[in-house]
Parts: sequence; C-alpha cells; structure tokens
Amino acid sequence: QKEVEQNSGPLSVPEGAIASLNCTYSDRGSQSFFWYRQYSGKSPELIMSIYSNGDKEDGRFTAQLNKASQYVSLLIRDSQPSDSATYLCAVGGKDNFNKFYFGSGTKLNVKP
Amino acid sequence: EPEVTQTPSHQVTQMGQEVILRCVPISNHLYFYWYRQILGQKVEFLVSFYNNEISEKSEIFDDQFSVERPDGSNFTLKIRSTKLEDSAMYFCASSDGQGNTEAFFGQGTRLTVV
Repeated sequence: QKEVEQNSGPLSVPEGAIASLNCTYSDRGSQSFFWYRQYSGKSPELIMSIYSNGDKEDGRFTAQLNKASQYVSLLIRDSQPSDSATYLCAVGGKDNFNKFYFGSGTKLNVKP
Repeated sequence: EPEVTQTPSHQVTQMGQEVILRCVPISNHLYFYWYRQILGQKVEFLVSFYNNEISEKSEIFDDQFSVERPDGSNFTLKIRSTKLEDSAMYFCASSDGQGNTEAFFGQGTRLTVV
C-alpha cells in the first residue's frame, strides 16, 4: 500500500513567520511531488511541483525534496492570514506518474 | 488563465439513481482524471483517461462507474446506481502529459445521495 503521510495539525504560526510543512512517502520509486492548497469546501489548488532532490523556490514558497529520506517539505515565508488552509502533499507513483497519492493534509492557521 | 470546469456544482440524487458529472478539461491537455474526496477524508484517485481509453483505475472504480469523452471537449463520470456512500466531492483534473505531470483540478461537484 502506497502511503503519503502528513501531520494533520493544526499548525499555528504568527503572521510574517515561516511555516514549515512536512510529508513522507512510502514508494521509493516515486518520481513527482506536488503541494496543493485546499481551502475548506474548495478544490485543491496547485502551489508547487518538484521532481529532483534539493530546493525549488517560487515566490514565498520553497519546496524541498530528499528522495533518500523519502521526504518532501514546503516552506512558506512571510506567512499571511490568507495562507490559512489545508496543504496537501501529492506523490506520483513510478508505475504511472500521472496517478497521484494524496496525504490527508496539514491544516495551517496563520494568526494576524 | 485556462481552467478545468465542472458541472453541476452540487447534485442531489436519490439512492439507486444514475448521475452524470461533467467536466471540461483544459483544452490542450491530454490526460484526464477523476478524484473524489469524502468529507473530512483524503483525496482519492478514481480513474485516469488518455487517448480515449482508461489508463488506470482504482479499486473504488467498480462496475457502477464509467467515464466517457463524448466529444472533443467534455469528459464525464457516470455512476449507474448511486449508493449513500457515493456522497462526496468529485474532482476532475487534467494534465498536459508533455513532460509536465502537474495536474490542475476543477472546482468540484458535490454529490449528495439521499
């Protein structure tokens, strides 16, 4: 069974702080990794994709991937109250990279 | 900005009835998917579709489910005889499949089976 694990939270950070979200996955052959943001009652919104070990930055967001440790993380700098949402980690399996396994999500609260 | 659109946004149906959920993927995308999310639970893969056929399906996607691309723009999910446990948000997604595996989700259809 391929698993994607996330701490459910809630993770509370003050406005302006760095929020750090973590995800581990079980399938060592996974090739694609994604972070989605989901507001309550809404659909997942793609934030970042990462395919290679290391860091990838996009604005206030940085995704980090360590395939040896089967670990992917998302850092949100200068957190804003509008960042308050559930963050979903999704992993593409090696047998069909277009099928994603989702974690249960980490709820982030950014306090003004 | 191109987006995936889904209709209806909310569907209420009686148990045992057939429902069809509709999706218009992003126009130049080649891979299409249906996912579902039961309230408070994970997003779960149902089926992927490429080149006018199912490329993969999960164990959830049993004989009660079918997908179709009836024309060049629409992608549908049919549930033949709905059960109470089919109540969920159903998300359509698409990706271009051209070296870019990012999938973009529609706004979802909330299906309520009563």
